[in-house]
Amino acid sequence: GAVVSQHPSRVICKSGTSVKIECRSLDFQATTMFWYRQFPKKSLMLMATSNEGSKATYEQGVEKDKFLINHASLTLSTLTVTSAHPEDSSFYICSATGLAVLSYEQYFGPGTRLTVT
Amino acid sequence: GENVEQHPSTLSVQEGDSAVIKCTYSDSASNYFPWYKQELGKRPQLIIDIRSNVGEKKDQRIAVTLNKTAKHFSLHITETQPEDSAVYFCAATDRMDSSYKLIFGSGTRLLVRP
Repeated sequence: GAVVSQHPSRVICKSGTSVKIECRSLDFQATTMFWYRQFPKKSLMLMATSNEGSKATYEQGVEKDKFLINHASLTLSTLTVTSAHPEDSSFYICSATGLAVLSYEQYFGPGTRLTVT
Repeated sequence: GENVEQHPSTLSVQEGDSAVIKCTYSDSASNYFPWYKQELGKRPQLIIDIRSNVGEKKDQRIAVTLNKTAKHFSLHITETQPEDSAVYFCAATDRMDSSYKLIFGSGTRLLVRP
């Protein structure tokens, strides 16, 4: 149980374009989803927290107009990287918690590797 | 907010030896401390966790200890095997409304030499 999927697993886009990443909870209702960014050989840095039906809460230093987060349903959250640039190339990972699972534990998606050329 | 520090950044041990990774946290209100193992290009996998009302927890070759007074917690892996080689992250909770966001340590790259 508590499976989280992400799509796509890899994406290459040109500088200036936008990319949407989906995060789905497959077997539970995710009341809260988290989005992380991980650069090579670095730790997971929390970008934002999203609760279903409300606006995301962004961490300090993360541009909310560049990284658009939508959590429209209890099983789906999306992260859109707008006007992507090479410095946005990274590994993006989502995680989810929900009412049917322990509120402390986060279940991670497999990640999306974004390369901006 | 919470700040988590992790040491060492790299650790090399001989197969069969023990490995210990240490973390400290800053917020005394944190009450949940998970440890994750991450292989290259993969998602973090929870290997063990501990809550603030417990001082030690063990699961086969893996154990975690928590010292609330000193605000530090440690991961202990005994009888290490080559497949234990990975990056390990500690984390601590930072309560936000009704959800608990995790603040991660910087990671420890463990290499188990056969």
